[in-house]
Formats: sequence, C-alpha cells, structure tokens
Amino acid sequence: DTGVSQDPRHKITKRGQNVTFRCDPISEHNRLYWYRQTLGQGPEFLTYFQNEAQLEKSRLLSDRFSAERPKGSFSTLEIQRTEQGDSAMYLCASSSQNYEQYFGPGTRLTVT
Amino acid sequence: GENVEQHPSTLSVQEGDSAVIKCTYSDSASNYFPWYKQELGKRPQLIIDIRSNVGEKKDQRIAVTLNKTAKHFSLHITETQPEDSAVYFCAATLYGNNRLAFGKGNQVVVIP
Repeated sequence: DTGVSQDPRHKITKRGQNVTFRCDPISEHNRLYWYRQTLGQGPEFLTYFQNEAQLEKSRLLSDRFSAERPKGSFSTLEIQRTEQGDSAMYLCASSSQNYEQYFGPGTRLTVT
Repeated sequence: GENVEQHPSTLSVQEGDSAVIKCTYSDSASNYFPWYKQELGKRPQLIIDIRSNVGEKKDQRIAVTLNKTAKHFSLHITETQPEDSAVYFCAATLYGNNRLAFGKGNQVVVIP
C-alpha cells in the first residue's frame, strides 16, 4: 500500500496522559499536514510541514500540541496532558507541489 | 471553517437524477478548490478539484464549476447511484498557501 498510513488507528487514554500519533506520507510527497475532525464537521487544519520545516500552525493549536517531522519523511503529533475536548479523529494528509492532498485513515482518539 | 460554507446540508435525490452542491468562500486569494467524498468511518477521498484559472472541469459523472467573481464553486453529480451516498466536503486554499479550509459537509442520500 503506497498511500498515507497512520498509527495507531484507535487510541483510548485517560485525561491528563500524553499521546503520540505517527503519520507516514506517500513516499514522494514533500508536504505533510495534520487535521482534526469531529463528528459532523469538516477537517480542521492544525499544522503543515514542507520537508522537515514546520511552516504553519493553526492559532487554534494549544501549547499542549506539538508536531515534528525530523527527517522530512514520517511525522509525529504529540498531545500532552490530554483533555476530553481533545477527543476527535486526527487526520494526516500529504501532497507534492501540486496542492492535491491525500488523506490517511486517521487516528481516533478517545479521552476518558 | 468559517471561510468556507456549503449548502444544502443534506440532499436526497432519486437514483439516476442529478445532485448539485454549492460552496462559497471568502478569501479572494484562494486558488485551489478540491472536493472530497467521505463515507462513514473512512478517510476523506479526493474526487475532483479545480484551480482558479479554470471555470469548469469534468471527470465522468462528476463536474466542478467555479465562479471567481461570485466566490462560489459547485459539485455536480449526474446519473446518481446508491454508491454516491456519502458526505461531500468542499475546501479552498487560504491566504495563498497550501492550508485548506473545509466546509462542514453535505450529506447526499441517493434513494434507489
């Protein structure tokens, strides 16, 4: 499968715990995006990388969220001190220079 | 996102009829407009897109039209089939970069 992959697919955690998600983009894509989607809503932009550089972060992204793409390939998204409001589907997408973004299957986070 | 709006929120059509979903955007710098289809529990799937230098694009039963003056673009599905039933999201690039702002989605139900 040469599409975008994400791991884990599901994560249940207790409030206050830290969680980390991984995204592997399509291999030739240099751009990687993180979105969050809640029920009945469209994906909401979180942050964006071009190669290893994090070029943009949404102002909605609190300090508890951090993302990395250390070698310009896979990326990780960490949420510290999780809150119930963090429960959502976290989607990763990748693109080349032509804007077309392809999504991964997502990681569904449930904070109890 | 607040910059992109979709109408109607739910659309029911008889199998074989056409479906049209309209999307409006506010950022005059937007230059790329994709449509995504999302089935329940699955990732958003890119089905068609259009760039600001083109007024219309067609791919088999799906077409997208863009009116830059009025800042709206529409998805047209002809000869609808039950497998077209899904949530459809429009999106637009923001502030001249790769960030996508999504609408809230339209639930399309094709009645056999």
